[in-house]
Amino acid sequence: GESVGLHLPTLSVQEGDNSIINCAYSNSASDYFIWYKQESGKGPQFIIDIRSNMDKRQGQRVTVLLNKTVKHLSLQIAATQPGDSAVYFCAENRAGGSTLGRLYFGRGTQLTVWP
Amino acid sequence: DSGVTQTPKHLITATGQRVTLRCSPRSGDLSVYWYQQSLDQGLQFLIQYYNGEERAKGNILERFSAQQFPDLHSELNLSSLELGDSALYFCASSATHLGGSGEQYFGPGTRLTVT
Repeated sequence: GESVGLHLPTLSVQEGDNSIINCAYSNSASDYFIWYKQESGKGPQFIIDIRSNMDKRQGQRVTVLLNKTVKHLSLQIAATQPGDSAVYFCAENRAGGSTLGRLYFGRGTQLTVWP
Repeated sequence: DSGVTQTPKHLITATGQRVTLRCSPRSGDLSVYWYQQSLDQGLQFLIQYYNGEERAKGNILERFSAQQFPDLHSELNLSSLELGDSALYFCASSATHLGGSGEQYFGPGTRLTVT
């Protein structure tokens, strides 16, 4: 079935290194994508979003890349810090109909940053 | 702090019981979304309300119901509780019913434990 999934369930990086978290989606009608960060005991926190008419968007220390050809999304975190340790989710919004406004979340990747 | 509040933070109850979870959206946000997060299912969309009306329905059981009141706060009612209903329940809000027009802001969640 259609799903949003992540290639790796866990990712460990050393402080200062760059992190790349990947996400695959299967619905070509998806027109909006969001990355969320969830720290232990807290709700998901918005990081960055991208619309399907873009292929790259940059924020503070984060970059999201969208490859619609292969239905792939990635989140790059520059100079990863211990405070970046969390579970990262990608979510997609599928355009139109009753799914309008509904986000489909991937399973999540646990990022651990080592000092 | 996302501006979305949820009460209670924790809830412990027995099977067969009924509980009500409450959510207050960010000031000015008209849309409220409910999600369930469990270890085996990840973040699952349950239902969305926009300005008091139901807009989208996801994987919400018939034992569950929700409503959004004129002051825009929302309540999620869970009845005939089963052990499998134990999960984190998140509320999120956004400015419009179009998920692609802006991110959803998540509350801190209510942890429900059914014993």
